[in-house]
Amino acid sequence: AQKITQTQPGMFVQEKEAVTLDCTYDTSDPSYGLFWYKQPSSGEMIFLIYQGSYDQQNATEGRYSLNFQKARKSANLVISASQLGDSAMYFCAMREAFMNRDDKIIFGKGTRLHILP
Amino acid sequence: GAGVSQSPRYKVAKRGQDVALRCDPISGHVSLFWYQQALGQGPEFLTYFQNEAQLDKSGLPSDRFFAERPEGSVSTLKIQRTQQEDSAVYLCASSLRHLEPQHFGDGTRLSIL
Repeated sequence: AQKITQTQPGMFVQEKEAVTLDCTYDTSDPSYGLFWYKQPSSGEMIFLIYQGSYDQQNATEGRYSLNFQKARKSANLVISASQLGDSAMYFCAMREAFMNRDDKIIFGKGTRLHILP
Repeated sequence: GAGVSQSPRYKVAKRGQDVALRCDPISGHVSLFWYQQALGQGPEFLTYFQNEAQLDKSGLPSDRFFAERPEGSVSTLKIQRTQQEDSAVYLCASSLRHLEPQHFGDGTRLSIL
């Protein structure tokens, strides 16, 4: 079974609108972390936001927020007031704390976001 | 800069050749990771180092893949007798210590002809 599922292969959003990128995950580890990364066409992987499984509040970083619904195993990324520079591939990822002896991150297949002027 | 540095940025090789990809992590970072990203896919874990010790190499696809980090800093991923399916972007990441965020390099895009 896939550990990280991103159901939107591609999205088109008008500039300045808010956008939600979906992510669901599957783990039986009681302690885990969830990440979102942005990958522009240039290829670098840019860390955006992190949510720990025991964090009481949803993570926020500037225009990015993570809508964490633990019971539903959902970790959607919300980008407010989208900008043209937000056009990129977005990856949801997870790190299990106890079930892996290292720190490896498991990535989803990604969502390609296009911001329209 | 102070980020993770990978070289070369692009590598083209003929099938059957050996290649070596270099990763220079952020200074002082203990953990180092290699990931392979096929076209249109998310990165997949290859191997993990803590200092010079390779603690996990379960993601290496075959014995043609070999990674080392002899002095606990720079790491090299070597692929012997390359095949077309090895064509991918190879990403290196480092983190300060266990469970800290991983910082990625720009990757090496490997094309096997």
